[in-house]
Parts: sequence; C-alpha cells; structure tokens
Amino acid sequence: DAKTTQPNSMESNEEEPVHLPCNHSTISGTDYIHWYRQLPSQGPEYVIHGLTSNVNNRMASLAIAEDRKSSTLILHRATLRDAAVYYCILRDLALPGNKLVFGAGTILRVKS
Amino acid sequence: KAGVTQTPRYLIKTRGQQVTLSCSPISGHRSVSWYQQTPGQGLQFLFEYFSETQRNKGNFPGRFSGRQFSNSRSEMNVSTLELGDSALYLCASSWNQETQYFGPGTRLLVL
Repeated sequence: DAKTTQPNSMESNEEEPVHLPCNHSTISGTDYIHWYRQLPSQGPEYVIHGLTSNVNNRMASLAIAEDRKSSTLILHRATLRDAAVYYCILRDLALPGNKLVFGAGTILRVKS
Repeated sequence: KAGVTQTPRYLIKTRGQQVTLSCSPISGHRSVSWYQQTPGQGLQFLFEYFSETQRNKGNFPGRFSGRQFSNSRSEMNVSTLELGDSALYLCASSWNQETQYFGPGTRLLVL
C-alpha cells in the first residue's frame, strides 16, 4: 500500500478556510486519493476522493498536484463541527475490495 | 436510508472469553468491512466480506474471525480474548469501491 504523510495537527479559526496537506510521493497510476474524517466519538466519515482532477462536493474541495505526489483538502469555511481527525488514504481501485489503510491523520482544531 | 448499525455499543469481557459483534449494513450494500481502532495502533483493517465470502484480510491472528449472512449482515468473533483486544471495533459498508459508510462502533473492554 502506498504511504501518505500528513502533519500531526493543525489549527484554524472558525469561518476561515482550512488547507490540509497530504504527501504521497509513491502514488501509482491507479491510486485514488480518498479523504475521511473522524469526529470525536464517531466512526470515520467519507469526505471526498479524486484521481487526477480537482474535485468539489458539498463538504470540501480536493486539489491534486499535477504530478499527483501531493494533494490538499480544502474546507472553505471551517466550523466548530469540522474539528476532527482527517485521514488521507490512497486506494488502488485496480485491486478488488474495500480495504482502507489509515495513517495517523491530521488532528484539526477549530477555534471560535 | 438507515445508516450502519452495530450491536452492542459497549461490552465488557474478561480474558479468555470470546465475543461476537454484529453489524447491519446500509440496505443494498453487499460489502462489509471491519476495523479495529486503538490509541496505540490507530485504525487497522481486519477483514472484508462481500456476498458471504471473505474478500480481503488484514494482519490479525486467527482468533479474529468473521462471517456474512445472505442478508449482508455480518458478525465478527474474537476468541480467547486478551487485554490488548480492548478497542473500538468499527464496521463499514459499501455498494462500490469508492465510498465506505462507517457505523458508530462497538467499544470492547477486556479485563
């Protein structure tokens, strides 16, 4: 499984944008970049995923570098409810199944 | 649609006992995966079932086993419990390989 590297923690002010980085220098051509988050006392929650192009959904945006060796999850206006651990995960969709390999993730703290 | 449900939510067992945890996936989802979360090791993949067959397996001892029923509900069993098995056990269901939906977990404490 290709490895990802994320900062241990980040802090943001409420109502401001947050950029969560992820490095994945050994990414393969069939690896999709997935982001999940885990709020306190809950199971992980899907946020977004992409392959090469930038992606947007109602929760966040995913910006993928042209060489795909890094990506950034963008929360456009952080709220207190966004305080969570954010996981950047590579999924090789050429392989069968749904195995997710979680790293340590980034703890996001949001200040009011 | 109802989300992924897991029962029981909390469980206390003693060393040497066995335990069975249950997971009901979202209606229509045929894939069910199990994960163990501990403060020291983080989230680790246990195994995945799809249409009653184990499709993927993580690096856990044989004391950890699972099964899936024809209605896609899944159970996992841990035999001969050890103190280190204390963890949050999470179940996730999916209908494709893009998105997994996680349940709230079962918190197991082994004394």
